[in-house]
Amino acid sequence: DADVTQTPRNRITKTGKRIMLECSQTKGHDRMYWYRQDPGLGLQLIYYSFDVKDINKGEISDGYSVSRQAQAKFSLSLESAIPNQTALYFCATSDASPGGKTDTQYFGPGTRLTVL
Amino acid sequence: DQQVKQNSPSLSVQEGRISILNCDYTNSMFDYFLWYKKYPAEGPTFLISISSIKDKNEDGRFTVFLNKSAKHLSLHIVPSQPGDSAVYFCAASASGAGSYQLTFGKGTKLSVIP
Repeated sequence: DADVTQTPRNRITKTGKRIMLECSQTKGHDRMYWYRQDPGLGLQLIYYSFDVKDINKGEISDGYSVSRQAQAKFSLSLESAIPNQTALYFCATSDASPGGKTDTQYFGPGTRLTVL
Repeated sequence: DQQVKQNSPSLSVQEGRISILNCDYTNSMFDYFLWYKKYPAEGPTFLISISSIKDKNEDGRFTVFLNKSAKHLSLHIVPSQPGDSAVYFCAASASGAGSYQLTFGKGTKLSVIP
């Protein structure tokens, strides 16, 4: 079974709709991240969370919000989707425990989101 | 301002030969570097990393070289195999400065020709 799962894998929605992307992990990692990838570009950080009570904005957080419901769950919401939010979205985790490779992030399979 | 640059969008290599993927960075605070491999319809997979205290790290067919003075790193794949065909992302973090965020390059698409 995959250590980092994302649902849904594909989603088509309309402008103005609210949408939530979910991420779950069984790796036991404290840190979780949301990225988006646009064609021909690298991954850009949207939000990250170092534990359940810690949420931080990344480089492109405008138009997005997140919720860390538990250590294993981190969801990304688009309150009012717009077409330029069409992209691939990836969730990732990293291990902040003593001796853990904090810098190494492990990614989920991604969600392809299309906003019409 | 792009802090991590992969200037070659694509690279084609014959099977069995060496693949060399390059990455340049501008932020002198970066002290940890990673390479990820990504197949279509999948998330990036961690491949290999290197700390700035080293200049080389090897794992099987994959070797990463770091030249701090030139702010340059490279990934060598020897020998290249068709299954290595994927997009490779270079990433960097400034963990010594307390930031564990990764900054990614735009990726290089490697095609290994049988």
